[in-house]
Amino acid sequence: KAGVTQTPRYLIKTRGQQVTLSCSPISGHRSVSWYQQTPGQGLQFLFEYFSETQRNKGNFPGRFSGRQFSNSRSEMNVSTLELGDSALYLCASSHGRLAEKETRYFGPGTRLLVL
Amino acid sequence: AQKVTQAQTEISVVEKEDVTLDCVYETRDTTYYLFWYKQPPSGELVFLIRRNSFDEQNEISGRYSWNFQKSTSSFNFTITASQVVDSAVYFCALRDRDDKIIFGKGTRLHILP
Repeated sequence: KAGVTQTPRYLIKTRGQQVTLSCSPISGHRSVSWYQQTPGQGLQFLFEYFSETQRNKGNFPGRFSGRQFSNSRSEMNVSTLELGDSALYLCASSHGRLAEKETRYFGPGTRLLVL
Repeated sequence: AQKVTQAQTEISVVEKEDVTLDCVYETRDTTYYLFWYKQPPSGELVFLIRRNSFDEQNEISGRYSWNFQKSTSSFNFTITASQVVDSAVYFCALRDRDDKIIFGKGTRLHILP
């Protein structure tokens, strides 16, 4: 079974630009969540999507948005990039049933550098 | 508030030594889940274990073992006979009632040959 895939793996942008990151979950998984990892703040939850609806949201500004498609693939968009948005963006997938044995499986991440 | 504390930011041990990574959590929930993930240099978070709050039984998987103690709100991870391939950043995490995962800051483990 293929794992979580994220594209692109590396990205360089300049301040003020926007960026879209993509995540394909494990087959059969309907929930996708996104995390930002930086040396200073560690791993922080961005948002979670389940069946094309945002189910949970972290404390990030509105510049960060996402969506999920009917095939469960998800995209994350950051508009008006700032230097502080440079980070590793990790996507995780799970069945989404909020059941006892729920575990999130992570992708390799997209490393974004904002210049 | 929900919180996960990994007090050890960085640990170095010589290969074949045992090493314990500490994790202390805070939560008001009576039902919660704790996790350990490993992040090798490649960046991908690798799931190691999940434990729910009602199961205090310790678990052993090969060279890995976990000690969950509700009385001290700790969920420590021990690697026995460490190997160079164990070098990575290890994260302890808590799943809260809203199903968000809260991560600790991580412990960077160096296994020296």
